[in-house]
Amino acid sequence: GIQVEQSPPDLILQEGANSTLRCNFSDSVNNLQWFHQNPWGQLINLFYIPSGTKQNGRLSATTVATERYSLLYISSSQTTDSGVYFCAVEDRGSTLGRLYFGRGTQLTVWP
Amino acid sequence: DAGVTQSPTHLIKTRGQQVTLRCSPKSGHDTVSWYQQALGQGPQFIFQYYEEEERQRGNFPDRFSGHQFPNYSSELNVNALLLGDSALYLCASTWRLAYEQYFGPGTRLTVT
Repeated sequence: GIQVEQSPPDLILQEGANSTLRCNFSDSVNNLQWFHQNPWGQLINLFYIPSGTKQNGRLSATTVATERYSLLYISSSQTTDSGVYFCAVEDRGSTLGRLYFGRGTQLTVWP
Repeated sequence: DAGVTQSPTHLIKTRGQQVTLRCSPKSGHDTVSWYQQALGQGPQFIFQYYEEEERQRGNFPDRFSGHQFPNYSSELNVNALLLGDSALYLCASTWRLAYEQYFGPGTRLTVT
C-alpha cells in the first residue's frame, strides 16, 4: 500500500507561534485529508485537499500532488491547537475509499 | 445534521471473549469503514462496507468480521480476543465509497 510519512513527529511551541507540518506520500492519490485528534480520540476533519490550497481561519493547507506532498500551516497557535495531527491519503489504485494514515505529528502549545 | 456515532464508548473484556461494536454513519452517507488505532500509532484500516457487502479488507485476521444493515449502520465483531486487540476502534463514513470521510468518537477496547 501507499506509504505516508509525517514530519516532524513532535513539535513544541509557545502560544502565538506559527508552524508547518509536512506529509509526504509515495504514490498518486485520489484523496488527502488532514485531521486533528483531540485528547479523547476524536478525529476532527480539518481539510479535504487532494490538490491546491485551502484556508480556514488560522489554518491553511497546500497539496502539491505532482510532487507528492502536503503542508498544514497553523498560524498564531493557541493551547487548544494541542493534539495529534494526522495526514491520510487514498491512493488511485483499487483501494477506493481506504485511507492510509501517517504516524502523526504531536503538537504541544504552551501558554 | 447528525454526525457519526459509535457505541459503546468504553469496553473491558477478557481474553478469549467476543465483542460487538456499533456505528451509525453521518446523515446521507452509505459507506462505513472501520479502523483500529493502537497507542501512539495512526489508524489502520480493517474493512469497508457498502451496499451491505464487505468491499475491501485490510491486513486483519478472520477473527474480525462485520456487517452492514439496510439503514447503513454497521457492526464490528471480534472473536477470541487477544491482549493485542486492545485499541481505539474508529468508524468512518462517506458517500459512495469515496470522497471526504468523517469519523466517529471511537470505542476504546481494553482486553485483560
